[in-house]
Amino acid sequence: AQSVTQLDSHVSVSEGTPVLLRCNYSSSYSPSLFWYVQHPNKGLQLLLKYTSAATLVKGINGFEAEFKKSETSFHLTKPSAHMSDAAEYFCVVSAGGATNKLIFGTGTLLAVQP
Amino acid sequence: NAGVMQNPRHLVRRRGQEARLRCSPMKGHSHVYWYRQLPEEGLKFMVYLQKENIIDESGMPKERFSAEFPKEGPSILRIQQVVRGDSAAYFCASSPGGGGNQPQHFGDGTRLSIL
Repeated sequence: AQSVTQLDSHVSVSEGTPVLLRCNYSSSYSPSLFWYVQHPNKGLQLLLKYTSAATLVKGINGFEAEFKKSETSFHLTKPSAHMSDAAEYFCVVSAGGATNKLIFGTGTLLAVQP
Repeated sequence: NAGVMQNPRHLVRRRGQEARLRCSPMKGHSHVYWYRQLPEEGLKFMVYLQKENIIDESGMPKERFSAEFPKEGPSILRIQQVVRGDSAAYFCASSPGGGGNQPQHFGDGTRLSIL
C-alpha cells in the first residue's frame, strides 16, 4: 500500500531564507507524488507533481521537489521564502490501480518570520 | 470562475438533521472525489465518482453517508442524522481522467458545524 510521511509538523523560517519540507514515501511501484498547499480556510492548490519523468520537478511560486528513489524521499524546497508562503503543505501519493484516490500526509505548517 | 465550485462554504446543522454538500467540477472534468478533513488532521479520501457511477467508496462511513454524481447537475454528498463527529471540512476535487498521474483540482471546501 502507498503512504507518505511528513517528517516535520511545523517549520519556521525567516523571510528570504531557504525552505525545506521533508517527505518520505512508501510504494510498491513507481509512485505518482504531489505537493499541495492549503492557505487558511481555503482549498488545496497543486504546487507540483512527479510522474516518473524528470526527477527534479519544478512547480509554481518558485517551489521544486526532487524524487530520490534510493532514499524514498520527495522533499519540497524553495531558495528564498516569502511571507505569502506561510501555509500548510501536504505531501500526497496517488493510490494508483482502479482508483485515483489521493493519500495525504499529515501536513507541515510553514511559518515565515519577517 | 472555471475552478471547482463547492457550496455552501459554511453549513450549520443540529444533531439529527441532514446535510447536503454540493460540488460542481471544473469544466470538462468527469471524475469527482470527496475528501474529509477533521480538525488537526490531513485529508482522508471518502468516495470517487464518475457520471452516474460510484467507482470507489472505500472511505465512506458505512451508515448515514451517501454520494451521487448525476448525469446532469452537481455531485452531492449527503449526510443523514448528523452527529457532532461529522463536524469537519469537506473538500471536493475533480480531474479530467482517472489515471493515477492525473492531478486533482480542489474546491475551497464546505465547513460543516454540528450544534
